[in-house]
Amino acid sequence: GQNIDQPTEMTATEGAIVQINCTYQTSGFNGLFWYQQHAGEAPTFLSYNVLDGLEEKGRFSSFLSRSKGYSYLLLKELQMKDSASYLCARGDNYGQNFVFGPGTRLSVLP
Amino acid sequence: DGGITQSPKYLFRKEGQNVTLSCEQNLNHDAMYWYRQDPGQGLRLIYYSQIVNDFQKGDIAEGYSVSREKKESFPLTVTSAQKNPTAFYLCASSRGAGKSYNEQFFGPGTRLTVL
Repeated sequence: GQNIDQPTEMTATEGAIVQINCTYQTSGFNGLFWYQQHAGEAPTFLSYNVLDGLEEKGRFSSFLSRSKGYSYLLLKELQMKDSASYLCARGDNYGQNFVFGPGTRLSVLP
Repeated sequence: DGGITQSPKYLFRKEGQNVTLSCEQNLNHDAMYWYRQDPGQGLRLIYYSQIVNDFQKGDIAEGYSVSREKKESFPLTVTSAQKNPTAFYLCASSRGAGKSYNEQFFGPGTRLTVL
């Protein structure tokens, strides 16, 4: 995914907290996006960070450090329905202006 | 309701035939994209268009063609030159390059199977 790295798979327990990390190339950066994709379905938008810090949306939060080229998605109070792939994507100021990482497959176990 | 539509949801084709996948959006977005996804894999960019009458190749454009004659529409043709066309195809749109809050919105996808 053009220098966007995420762990391939993660496993967590229902009710727990999980953090999914993403590192990316910083040149031409214009925003960091997280998407959720259930098997066989289209990705759905979760969050957007363009400034450093934490953005919170209910059980999901996303963090960005522009200087480090680093983001994470934090999922709290995990539910079985959170089992999905989570895609990190970088916005660019040029070219195709959007690059997806390979995705992290999260399995939530009872 | 604003959104992106793709049709058909499932498509079967015989080997050697060309097939066109439809993608329409009424979000007034400038940019549109086509991705391919194979089982258990990430999204791979086929073609993208930042403006009407202009489009660019993505990472895996060989065997595919597109057109962008209208802002709302970005059809993808899978040609017989595509060696392994069976996949899940996703269309997306966004406000366009350099704009803020530039998230991509996805259509429901078309699952193409070559028999």
